[in-house]
Amino acid sequence: DAGVIQSPRHEVTEMGQEVTLRCKPISGHNSLFWYRQTMMRGLELLIYFNNNVPIDDSGMPEDRFSAKMPNASFSTLKIQPSEPRDSAVYFCASSPTVEKLFFGSGTQLSVL
Amino acid sequence: GDSVTQMEGPVTLSEEAFLTINCTYTATGYPSLFWYVQYPGEGLQLLLKATKADDKGSNKGFEATYRKETTSFHLEKGSVQVSDSAVYFCALSPLKGSGYALNFGKGTSLLVTP
Repeated sequence: DAGVIQSPRHEVTEMGQEVTLRCKPISGHNSLFWYRQTMMRGLELLIYFNNNVPIDDSGMPEDRFSAKMPNASFSTLKIQPSEPRDSAVYFCASSPTVEKLFFGSGTQLSVL
Repeated sequence: GDSVTQMEGPVTLSEEAFLTINCTYTATGYPSLFWYVQYPGEGLQLLLKATKADDKGSNKGFEATYRKETTSFHLEKGSVQVSDSAVYFCALSPLKGSGYALNFGKGTSLLVTP
């Protein structure tokens, strides 16, 4: 089992550019989560999907953020336009059952 | 809303010392409680959990007991090792409609020195 796969591992971009983060969940898991981690705010839930359907996106900071899950094996988190305050580590996690999450290694995003 | 509060770090201990990381929760019902651990450069992974009052979760020498009367789920280990150096997150699972999402604390950084 390859685990949750995120790409890229590191992303450096300039303010105003579009950023797309990618996630491949573990096969068979029916829930997928996007979290953001910063020193100031800790780990924040941005959005989660159940059977490819967005259940709760109340954590998405603003309209610049969007997430999609076109099928059970792929999800994207897009930021357009990006800003320096978006710099953080973004984690994707998937889950086969209630409550046990499997996290990817994260994407370190730096917006200059 | 449902939330957890955990002690701020960093916590620095010598090898073989006793560890306690405090976690208290606020919830309207009877949530499940968790401890996750994040090693440097990695994502979080489940360490242990408890689903009802008085349950004790345990794994890798770590333990935590679900205390309803004090709304607490403190993490303990009798003798820490250098390899236990990591960030520890307390989490709670509320139920939201047809889905669910864990609410995490801010994390407590632990450094164990030889």
